[in-house]
Amino acid sequence: QKEVEQDPGPLSVPEGAIVSLNCTYSNSAFQYFMWYRQYSRKGPELLMYTYSSGNKEDGRFTAQVDKSSKYISLFIRDSQPSDSATYLCAMSANTGNQFYFGTGTSLTVIP
Amino acid sequence: EAGVTQFPSHSVIEKGQTVTLRCDPISGHDNLYWYRRVMGKEIKFLLHFVKESKQDESGMPNNRFLAERTGGTYSTLKVQPAELEDSGVYFCASSQDRNRFKPEQFFGPGTRLTVL
Repeated sequence: QKEVEQDPGPLSVPEGAIVSLNCTYSNSAFQYFMWYRQYSRKGPELLMYTYSSGNKEDGRFTAQVDKSSKYISLFIRDSQPSDSATYLCAMSANTGNQFYFGTGTSLTVIP
Repeated sequence: EAGVTQFPSHSVIEKGQTVTLRCDPISGHDNLYWYRRVMGKEIKFLLHFVKESKQDESGMPNNRFLAERTGGTYSTLKVQPAELEDSGVYFCASSQDRNRFKPEQFFGPGTRLTVL
């Protein structure tokens, strides 16, 4: 069983839509939950991270973590064509430890 | 501030040959990580340096892979001899002091390795 499961998509939405991206995980030791965005032929770029359970908001992006269900989400409000990318969830047990990644969800926002 | 840089961006070699990938982390970052993404799969951890010491090399696939970080600055990852299944994108990431609260790892653009 994979440590982290993520639906690869692809996901295609019209501009202005609300996007919901999700990951599930199996390791209850994970405490840090990250969302990375990756454009084609580029390296992953950290969008935001959350420690333990709860919500975190940053502009149009909201990250949610439900540790009881081992389920994390990223919501993108008022999606823009520039949001078109692959979104990767990642998790770790501690700040210095290795990250465990999902396979990534490919998102296209259509103008 | 310059980001993490990797060289080469793309390498095509034949099975049995040797390839060396290089990573230059962000200046001042003690932590350096190597990851690999095989086509269709998730990004997977290979190893972690703290300065020049290997902190965790549990993800290294086998002894054909050798990573070094001389002087705690740049790092190299050598594959010798390369096999077909080594094809993929090799990412390097760096971060500051591991005792900091933020789990930030900054990724380079990756080296795309193709073994024919």
